Amino acid sequence: NAGVTQTPKFRVLKTGQSMTLLCAQDMNHEYMYWYRQDPGMGLRLIHYSVGEGTTAKGEVPDGYNVSRLKKQNFLLGLESAAPSQTSVYFCASSYDGSNQPQHFGDGTRLSIL
Amino acid sequence: AQKVTQAQTEISVVEKEDVTLDCVYETRDTTYYLFWYKQPPSGELVFLIRRNSFDEQNEISGRYSWNFQKSTSSFNFTITASQVVDSAVYFCALIVNTNAGKSTFGDGTTLTVKP
Repeated sequence: NAGVTQTPKFRVLKTGQSMTLLCAQDMNHEYMYWYRQDPGMGLRLIHYSVGEGTTAKGEVPDGYNVSRLKKQNFLLGLESAAPSQTSVYFCASSYDGSNQPQHFGDGTRLSIL
Repeated sequence: AQKVTQAQTEISVVEKEDVTLDCVYETRDTTYYLFWYKQPPSGELVFLIRRNSFDEQNEISGRYSWNFQKSTSSFNFTITASQVVDSAVYFCALIVNTNAGKSTFGDGTTLTVKP
């Protein structure tokens, strides 16, 4: 009964390095999301997807790219990591994007040195 | 544009006290959905309740209750007889039907319940 699984859980990068965060859900949900959470702030939407093969920009998309090649997976990429991208990243999924609640992964703590 | 305001950044109470967390939202849409999520110290986000814009009935679930008032654009959350395990960050969130998928979260209220 996995739900939403994020990989990795922790990562330390150097400025300029690239990496990909993986989100996998086993609930057959259409909608998937990537958020970042910074101290004292709520969740800010980076990108989201309304179905396989689709992506859309959220509130803070700059510096990130995403892909949804398979319905169950939503990848978040950092092309050239910057210290400002140090944050906790949450992935979420939902059945219909509005009426149903979002199911969240446990988060990825990312530090950029 | 949508906005969610949780004006209380931090609240501290003693166990068994009642506490109300405020949530005020802004939207021009007539169809929308409001949510409360809990984030305990362990970090995961847990769904608590959903309310749509056409249902102004208050809801009670054990020690938790929610008061939705469209007239004041508020969706407040009350914990009765608080317990130490209620200590967490609580987030209010809004999704409008015309922009399905784009959720707006408040900045959260950190609740500390002291024994």
